[in-house]
Amino acid sequence: SAVISQKPSRDICQRGTSLTIQCQVDSQVTMMFWYRQQPGQSLTLIATANQGSEATYESGFVIDKFPISRPNLTFSTLTVSNMSPEDSSIYLCSVEGGLPGNTIYFGEGSWLTVV
Amino acid sequence: AQSVTQLGSHVSVSEGALVLLRCNYSSSVPPYLFWYVQYPNQGLQLLLKYTSAATLVKGINGFEAEFKKSETSFHLTKPSAHMSDAAEYFCAVSVTSSASKIIFGSGTRLSIRP
Repeated sequence: SAVISQKPSRDICQRGTSLTIQCQVDSQVTMMFWYRQQPGQSLTLIATANQGSEATYESGFVIDKFPISRPNLTFSTLTVSNMSPEDSSIYLCSVEGGLPGNTIYFGEGSWLTVV
Repeated sequence: AQSVTQLGSHVSVSEGALVLLRCNYSSSVPPYLFWYVQYPNQGLQLLLKYTSAATLVKGINGFEAEFKKSETSFHLTKPSAHMSDAAEYFCAVSVTSSASKIIFGSGTRLSIRP
């Protein structure tokens, strides 16, 4: 299994500021994913981050708002830029365990509140 | 495109009663299906997954799910509910173009009555 650590686990942010969330995995993985879970909602995929290439964003998410870095096979960051209260969510990092259909592991999430 | 529909945003059962959480999927190819649980103020934990092996999949904490192709369903069950089962449950399906990318249902909140 993969162990995923996210930082920060929680934060309260001021409107208009940006925050970078870090995701560290205890093993090398090819693909990492970033999800958002708005209050009382399900999870929505933001983007897929592959090492050595630009992140691939889902419809409704743009790089200017959610820049992603993937410098190596065990680490990724997601920045939430120019935050507004609507960005108050849980942001989760996930990785795939290898073969198609393998377990998808999730971090504990980063709980952001924008005031 | 793949999708999942969870019937019932909130299910309440008595302790010791059968738990049944419904999930229907849509996929043009044989899917990979998952159930995840999210306890209050925690992240996601995998309960079980279906990857085209046995149609009856057993997971952790006494949960199991049966893949029924004819009904496009993957309902989650547990014979006897425990108070600790109170949580949010998400059904998910993998995306064909990228089996590692999954799409989640809207979730079902399970409450357990004493």
